[in-house]
Amino acid sequence: DIQMTQSPSTLSASVGDRVTITCRASQSVGSQLAWYQQKPGEAPKLLIYTATYLDRGVPSRFSGSGSGTDFTLTIYSLQPDDFATYYCQQYNTYWTFGQGTKVEIK
Amino acid sequence: EVQLVESGGGLVKPGGSLRLSCTASGFNFNVYPMNWVRQAPGKGLEWVSSMSDSGSYIYYADSVKGRFTISRDNAKNSLYLQMNSLRAEDTALYFCARDITPGAVAGIYDAFDLWGLGTMVTVSS
Repeated sequence: DIQMTQSPSTLSASVGDRVTITCRASQSVGSQLAWYQQKPGEAPKLLIYTATYLDRGVPSRFSGSGSGTDFTLTIYSLQPDDFATYYCQQYNTYWTFGQGTKVEIK
Repeated sequence: EVQLVESGGGLVKPGGSLRLSCTASGFNFNVYPMNWVRQAPGKGLEWVSSMSDSGSYIYYADSVKGRFTISRDNAKNSLYLQMNSLRAEDTALYFCARDITPGAVAGIYDAFDLWGLGTMVTVSS
């Protein structure tokens, strides 16, 4: 099974900050990597798929990069609506989620 | 409106059974692979099961294999999850989710672009 490890688990930041979350796969997943945002009491929302492609309607301050085993989600200029938990997901071989990164207000 | 609505959750005793439903609207359900994902209280996301658009391909997580059965009725725009031999560790919010790409190819997996709000399953005596 492919394991996904995110870091950090929690991140404290301020509005306007640039935020970076990393996701590492236990073996290569190519570019079959997605990022989701989840707020309390809500369903996950797809932000990025195929490592770098923004889903429809996702603000351009979100950016994804990486391939193989190492991936990054960057939020340029954090907005109040961005405080949430973020998950990576590999879909190269079945599906596996990372454990999540909570972005908190500093 | 394009949406997924789950139902069927509830409180069940260990060893019991429950059938979840997911009703789709606003899109051509019968061309999309569909999935179940769960989230235990205060925990992360766990993929549970997936089924291709025609039902030809079915996948299960090891944690539910042999106990859960996924199915769909394209005429009713519905996805189902039959859960048997339930355990305390199956307690979770169960989400229905759609593949981002219509159609399915064996061995090709996809991200999930549309999610329901979930239905809660609690396994407790």
